[in-house]
Amino acid sequence: DQQVKQNSPSLSVQEGRISILNCDYTNSMFDYFLWYKKYPAEGPTFLISISSIKDKNEDGRFTVFLNKSAKHLSLHIVPSQPGDSAVYFCAASSDNNNDMRFGAGTRLTVKP
Amino acid sequence: DTAVSQTPKYLVTQMGNDKSIKCEQNLGHDTMYWYKQDSKKFLKIMFSYNNKELIINETVPNRFSPKSPDKAHLNLHINSLELGDSAVYFCASSLPGTGRDSPLHFGNGTRLTVT
Repeated sequence: DQQVKQNSPSLSVQEGRISILNCDYTNSMFDYFLWYKKYPAEGPTFLISISSIKDKNEDGRFTVFLNKSAKHLSLHIVPSQPGDSAVYFCAASSDNNNDMRFGAGTRLTVKP
Repeated sequence: DTAVSQTPKYLVTQMGNDKSIKCEQNLGHDTMYWYKQDSKKFLKIMFSYNNKELIINETVPNRFSPKSPDKAHLNLHINSLELGDSAVYFCASSLPGTGRDSPLHFGNGTRLTVT
């Protein structure tokens, strides 16, 4: 039951431009959404989150947008930097971390 | 000062063997987890432990058993290993709840290969 989907396995962007990573979910009970970033041979690390009562959350170069009616969220990185090259996982949960579901990840490559 | 550490990093073993993966966290978190990243790269939760109590078990074969000697440790024991068990296993920990105040903190993973 893949309740969280990241349909783009990879994305390549030029340094300085905007990176947009997309995520769709099917479970309307989800009310908290997170993005994790993963470098090779490391575990995922928390990047940014948003609750369902908001439609936007910004943290420096990273902004997450939530469209509840479309069950869609996106992560915007502006400006993109080569160090942002990593796999980005979208995750969603309802009451607590025990029911968190992850997407399959999108590999972002930022070219100098 | 690694927050969540798991050992070994790589584990190669033969079918039918029994193996363990250790996990320790020094964050003072209440809850620890084991995740499996399968061949399709999905991270799927296997177990969650809170104060030595198993909270959930997501359709995991009973060959897999978590063992928590204390709040800072959650080890994963696997009996009678099968080819399909080959994957990367991640340990994680968090505070209670969800979201910004209690994100998951992951270890660096253990790549298990069963031959």
